[in-house]
Amino acid sequence: NAGVTQTPKFRILKIGQSMTLQCTQDMNHNYMYWYRQDPGMGLKLIYYSVGAGITDKGEVPNGYNVSRSTTEDFPLRLELAAPSQTSVYFCASSYREDDYGYTFGSGTRLTVV
Amino acid sequence: QKEVEQDPGPLSVPEGAIVSLNCTYSNSAFQYFMWYRQYSRKGPELLMYTYSSGNKEDGRFTAQVDKSSKYISLFIRDSQPSDSATYLCAMSEGGNNRLAFGKGNQVVVIP
Repeated sequence: NAGVTQTPKFRILKIGQSMTLQCTQDMNHNYMYWYRQDPGMGLKLIYYSVGAGITDKGEVPNGYNVSRSTTEDFPLRLELAAPSQTSVYFCASSYREDDYGYTFGSGTRLTVV
Repeated sequence: QKEVEQDPGPLSVPEGAIVSLNCTYSNSAFQYFMWYRQYSRKGPELLMYTYSSGNKEDGRFTAQVDKSSKYISLFIRDSQPSDSATYLCAMSEGGNNRLAFGKGNQVVVIP
């Protein structure tokens, strides 16, 4: 199994540009999450989804949007990129509500200049 | 006061030493406690999972939870260079499935 796959691995955006970070999982997990990790700041939850068609905001949702049209895919959309969105973005998934052993992707390193 | 406190200061130890890491927390509703290991430029991976108070051992790794003190620990015995990574504590109340992460603690094991 591939697990959680994120693309792209690296990206440089100019201020004001938009992009979509892709995330797909092949484990039939219901729960999916987007986190950002800033140096020395730990992981912050951006958005999460408990199943296809259902999404909700996390701690730091401003400037981002998500959709969940299938169980496998959970893309994260950045509109009007800002330097504050420079970070490493991780997608994760888990099978059920009480499954705390998340499977993480390898991350997307985004720089906004 | 932040919900989960973890001193991110890098920790360098010689090979074979015992590594001791800890986190404190303020939310007494946390019931599920995890340690994740993150290698450089990789995503975190679950290392240890504990429910409520007590100890859990898995090979060279031991996780301890003291809910009365709101304090969790991870011990690595006979540390190896392959243990060099960042270790993140995480915890949850349950139900809403939200994980609160610590900042992570970078560990370097010197051969």
